Amino acid sequence: GENVEQHPSTLSVQEGDSAVIKCTYSDSASNYFPWYKQELGKRPQLIIDIRSNVGEKKDQRIAVTLNKTAKHFSLHITETQPEDSAVYFCAASMAGTALIFGKGTTLSVSS
Amino acid sequence: DGGITQSPKYLFRKEGQNVTLSCEQNLNHDAMYWYRQDPGQGLRLIYYSQIVNDFQKGDIAEGYSVSREKKESFPLTVTSAQKNPTAFYLCASSVQAQAYEQYFGPGTRLTVT
Repeated sequence: GENVEQHPSTLSVQEGDSAVIKCTYSDSASNYFPWYKQELGKRPQLIIDIRSNVGEKKDQRIAVTLNKTAKHFSLHITETQPEDSAVYFCAASMAGTALIFGKGTTLSVSS
Repeated sequence: DGGITQSPKYLFRKEGQNVTLSCEQNLNHDAMYWYRQDPGQGLRLIYYSQIVNDFQKGDIAEGYSVSREKKESFPLTVTSAQKNPTAFYLCASSVQAQAYEQYFGPGTRLTVT
């Protein structure tokens, strides 16, 4: 089955800096790659997703890139703010299956 | 935040007892999922269901059971066979079980002593 590795497990940045979280997946048939943000005590919520026919997607300060050949995808957050502090999860899935999540990255943005 | 609900928010049980966690959605989604969340372990898939009366095991199904008798409901039973049941349990749903956003419930924190 699919396996998703996520790095780093913790990331600390200064407000205004950029943050990058990387994930690798094992199954080349996976075609959907979402990123979820989970604030303390709250449920995970989708922040951005990308499908295998696209190499990059942006939404304001957030972007995701996908390299199908290398089987890895990354989350980029620019101009980080304290409210970006949370746990971020990457995931992967293929048609007809459930999402398989990485172990998460705890992002801390200090002002 | 409406649409998918879990109850109760906190649940306490004695070791050796079975316990059922509730998950209900009114989003008319076909697919539903159960995940377990432990510190540093991410979200691990327990079971998922693509349609009524059908479900598949996830990575950590041992000691758990589910049913999907209605489209809007997907209860999870934590049996006494689950060796380490204390955890945070999240239910989710999506339009279909492929390449669609999953919407999560607020979760149930189960403590077994």
